[in-house]
This record gives sequence, structure tokens and C-alpha cells, in this order.
Amino acid sequence: EAGVVQSPRYKIIEKKQPVAFWCNPISGHNTLYWYLQNLGQGPELLIRYENEEAVDDSQLPKDRFSAERLKGVDSTLKIQPAELGDSAVYLCASSLEWGKTQYFGPGTRLLVL
Amino acid sequence: AQKITQTQPGMFVQEKEAVTLDCTYDTSDPSYGLFWYKQPSSGEMIFLIYQGSYDQQNATEGRYSLNFQKARKSANLVISASQLGDSAMYFCAMERGGTASKLTFGTGTRLQVTL
Repeated sequence: EAGVVQSPRYKIIEKKQPVAFWCNPISGHNTLYWYLQNLGQGPELLIRYENEEAVDDSQLPKDRFSAERLKGVDSTLKIQPAELGDSAVYLCASSLEWGKTQYFGPGTRLLVL
Repeated sequence: AQKITQTQPGMFVQEKEAVTLDCTYDTSDPSYGLFWYKQPSSGEMIFLIYQGSYDQQNATEGRYSLNFQKARKSANLVISASQLGDSAMYFCAMERGGTASKLTFGTGTRLQVTL
């Protein structure tokens, strides 16, 4: 069974540029999560989807971050414009449903110059 | 608020020896779950083991076991017969029950297995 797929794996951009990350969850997993992991820290939740509905986006900086999961499968996380402090790893995870074990993708490592 | 504490930033263990990674947590919820994840240098978070707050027995998964002491609010991970491939970051995480559930992670412990 394929795991959570993320792309790109690495991204380098200049500040003020836009950037987007893509996530394909494990087949059949209704719940999808985006996490931010700063260097030396554990991941922190940005947003959680139940199917296509964002049910917890309280930690998402909405002035520059946006996310969508239009058909309840793949998801895209966007930053516009990117700032130096956004340099981090962005992890996507999925679970069968809320409360079940979350399985993570390899992450996208973002460097903002 | 939930909090996970991992007090060991780094640990060394010799190959084939057992090692314990510490994790303490703080929550007022009666229902919660505790998880351990492994993060190798490739970056992927790999699920290792789960313990529910109402589980009577400690969880085990192959060489991994979770030493769950509810009264002390600790959930230490024990890795038996360490292998070189166990070298990685290890994160303890907690998810409380309820509709606002989310995983809260500790800061991690870097384990290095030596020959």
C-alpha cells in the first residue's frame, strides 16, 4: 500500500515569492493534516481536514497561508508571500478518520532566502 | 492545555543493547492516546507504537514497548536489541479525546546507535 506522497521534497525560493506544496494521502483516508516542523522541534498542526472540510485551522496564519482539499483527496498548502521565517519542513499526514493513527509523508523542506 | 516533555535531547546506545527514551505528559482529560514516532534523516515520521489511556496493558510492537505509568504521567519508549538503523529522532506525541483532538508533539530525542 502506498504511503502519503508529498511534492516537492525540497524547495528554495526568495522571500515574497509564492510557494505551494502538494499532498496525496493514503487511499481511503478521510482525514488529512498539514504540520509545520521547525528545526529542532516537533511538528505543529496547521490545519486538519475531514474529507473536504477544514475542521481545525486555528493554527493556520491566514494572512499568508491557505489550503484546500477540493475533492476530499489531494490537498495543497500555499504560502503567499513567503517570509524568511517560513523556512521549515511542511509535513502532510492522513488517517482513516479522526482519532485514528496518523501516517506521515516525507515532508517538503522549504528554504526562503 | 496539553504538554509533552522529552528531557533527553540526545542518547547513545550500543548495538544490541536496550535503551529507554523518556516522555512525560500533562493533560486533564481522562481520555487520551500516546504515540511514538521515529524520524530518520530522510524526514518521514514513522509510526511506532500507540497506548490508549484506558489500556490496562503496556503496548508492544516487535522490539518496541511502551512503559505506561499513568499515575506518573509517563510513557517511556523501550527499544530492545538496538540496531544501527534505529539511529534517528524519536518523538513522543499525545492526542486527547474530544472533537478538538490534535496531536501534540514533544521536542524529540536523537538516538545514536554505536558499534
